[in-house]
Amino acid sequence: AQKITQTQPGMFVQEKEAVTLDCTYDTSDQSYGLFWYKQPSSGEMIFLIYQGSYDEQNATEGRYSLNFQKARKSANLVISASQLGDSAMYFCAMRAKGNQFYFGTGTSLTVIP
Amino acid sequence: GAVVSQHPSWVICKSGTSVKIECRSLDFQATTMFWYRQFPKQSLMLMATSNEGSKATYEQGVEKDKFLINHASLTLSTLTVTSAHPEDSSFYICSARTGLAGLTDTQYFGPGTRLTVL
Repeated sequence: AQKITQTQPGMFVQEKEAVTLDCTYDTSDQSYGLFWYKQPSSGEMIFLIYQGSYDEQNATEGRYSLNFQKARKSANLVISASQLGDSAMYFCAMRAKGNQFYFGTGTSLTVIP
Repeated sequence: GAVVSQHPSWVICKSGTSVKIECRSLDFQATTMFWYRQFPKQSLMLMATSNEGSKATYEQGVEKDKFLINHASLTLSTLTVTSAHPEDSSFYICSARTGLAGLTDTQYFGPGTRLTVL
């Protein structure tokens, strides 16, 4: 069975600081993809970053980077230089065989000015 | 690129009426679209997978006769909530696959539809 765990229901970070949002996953598949989405209060799910299970380098997209530790089955999202607009819910997701995405329960991030 | 729209963004209806929600991929063809439901402060729950030209695949516990899904074209899928009741009030989100090969096939989400049934 596939499972995504986000253990931080809420996080606070000072503006301009970096923050790490945790995500661990469980799968028996060898090939899988890991995704992070941002959901602001408007409700829209915004794709942030992708990491493939065979990618040797950690994915980066602007201020977002994914700290992928395959042996530990973790895929933490690092947001550098936090901005007030980063305040939102963040969901980790995994796609293994087939079409289905498995979502974590989300982490609510609040950026403090 | 990879823009998905949903209409309407919010709807209020009376109990017993039916509501149709549209999901469109604006700049790509989506052979597969997904419908999710999200309760306040909770994660997304997959309701069904919609494939163009074929019947939708529903997740366990989702009533197919209540949540009718039609994927008539490569850019449009509709979800109809039939005989809506207050417990159907929720945030409904669709997503579409870009169709890229392999696991890099990202799902792009619509902005969601907030349904309130009185």
